[in-house]
Amino acid sequence: QQKVQQSPESLSVPEGGMASLNCTSSDRNFQYFWWYRQHSGEGPKALMSIFSDGDKKEGRFTAHLNKASLHVSLHIRDSQPSDSALYFCAAIYSNNRIFFGDGTQLVVKP
Amino acid sequence: GALVYQYPRRTICKSGTSMRMECQAVGFQATSVAWYRQSPQKTFELIALSTVNSAIKYEQNFTQEKFPISHPNLSFSSMTVLNAYLEDRGLYLCGARRGEAETLYFGSGTRLTVL
Repeated sequence: QQKVQQSPESLSVPEGGMASLNCTSSDRNFQYFWWYRQHSGEGPKALMSIFSDGDKKEGRFTAHLNKASLHVSLHIRDSQPSDSALYFCAAIYSNNRIFFGDGTQLVVKP
Repeated sequence: GALVYQYPRRTICKSGTSMRMECQAVGFQATSVAWYRQSPQKTFELIALSTVNSAIKYEQNFTQEKFPISHPNLSFSSMTVLNAYLEDRGLYLCGARRGEAETLYFGSGTRLTVL
């Protein structure tokens, strides 16, 4: 069954620090990974996608994909208190289904 | 820009009753619509995926008899929770895509409370 494992469940980093989030797919038939961020009371909003091996950088956010290990990570450098939110990875599979990880609650402390 | 509106934002229903929620894509034509339920623990469950020119596909543990979905056009989808009970409570999210390489654009969700 297609499933996405996400870790850690929660993460606290000081302002200016680096936050690292991880996800692993149970099925290698994925097309893309997306990272989403959700603030309280809102639906999740897409941050960035990655589908090629290696790094993809967008501002302070860098996604890394290793297709061989079915693993994707998100690194947030120079973390800001406004980055505090619930982060989800989502895998889009070849059958068009999209499954989410269980989320990482990020807290950036001033 | 691409926006997805969901209505109502929150609803309370008595155990055993039903409620309908709506999802509208604004500014784009959705090639597929996915309905999710986010539990109080924040985890996502995929309920069903509705794709243009294909039948609606329900995931395991979710059925058309319990969660009938209507997707009359590329911009509008509605889902009903029939005979709701405590285990049906949560935030129901509608996500719409405008192409295979595109992300899901989510609405703010409909929060269902069952008394």
